[in-house]
Amino acid sequence: DTGVSQNPRHKITKRGQNVTFRCDPISEHNRLYWYRQTLGQGPEFLTYFQNEAQLEKSRLLSDRFSAERPKGSFSTLEIQRTEQGDSAMYLCASSLAQGAYEQYFGPGTRLTVT
Amino acid sequence: GDSVTQMEGPVTLSEEAFLTINCTYTATGYPSLFWYVQYPGEGLQLLLKATKADDKGSNKGFEATYRKETTSFHLEKGSVQVSDSAVYFCALSVANTGNQFYFGTGTSLTVIP
Repeated sequence: DTGVSQNPRHKITKRGQNVTFRCDPISEHNRLYWYRQTLGQGPEFLTYFQNEAQLEKSRLLSDRFSAERPKGSFSTLEIQRTEQGDSAMYLCASSLAQGAYEQYFGPGTRLTVT
Repeated sequence: GDSVTQMEGPVTLSEEAFLTINCTYTATGYPSLFWYVQYPGEGLQLLLKATKADDKGSNKGFEATYRKETTSFHLEKGSVQVSDSAVYFCALSVANTGNQFYFGTGTSLTVIP
């Protein structure tokens, strides 16, 4: 069990650029979640997948955000035309669909938009 | 809607002091409750969980009891150590919302020798 991994760990970009983050979940986990965490706050749900299907999206997820999980393995989160307000830590978590549903979190990708 | 209200910090305690961090919740369904911990520079780690009323979750000397009557899940530890310094997050998930987590705002704990 290698845990949830995320890349890159840090990303600095200029306003208006596009960025893409990757998440590799724990291999046997069929659910994958994306959260956003800003300083001094708890993580906020963005979206989740069960296998390759994106089942729910938060109202926080504007149309500039898109997420994919091809083949039900790794996932990518893309932000188009970044804004300064997108600066945050983006967290990925995975879980089994059965059982106590605890989620295992990756280390996060810290995005800074200048 | 579903939400978690968590005791605001920061909290500073001397080593071996008793710790309580309050957490109350609102849920549309029957939630599972969790405490996560985030050590400096690290990701969120599951500390303990409880999935039904009156369950007690425990780990590393920390405990929390699922109280449906008071909609609470307070975190306690009898004797804190310097190594417990971290941010603690209370969270809930409800099966009918895809088990997305709703987190509190976090409570920063600093333990001084």
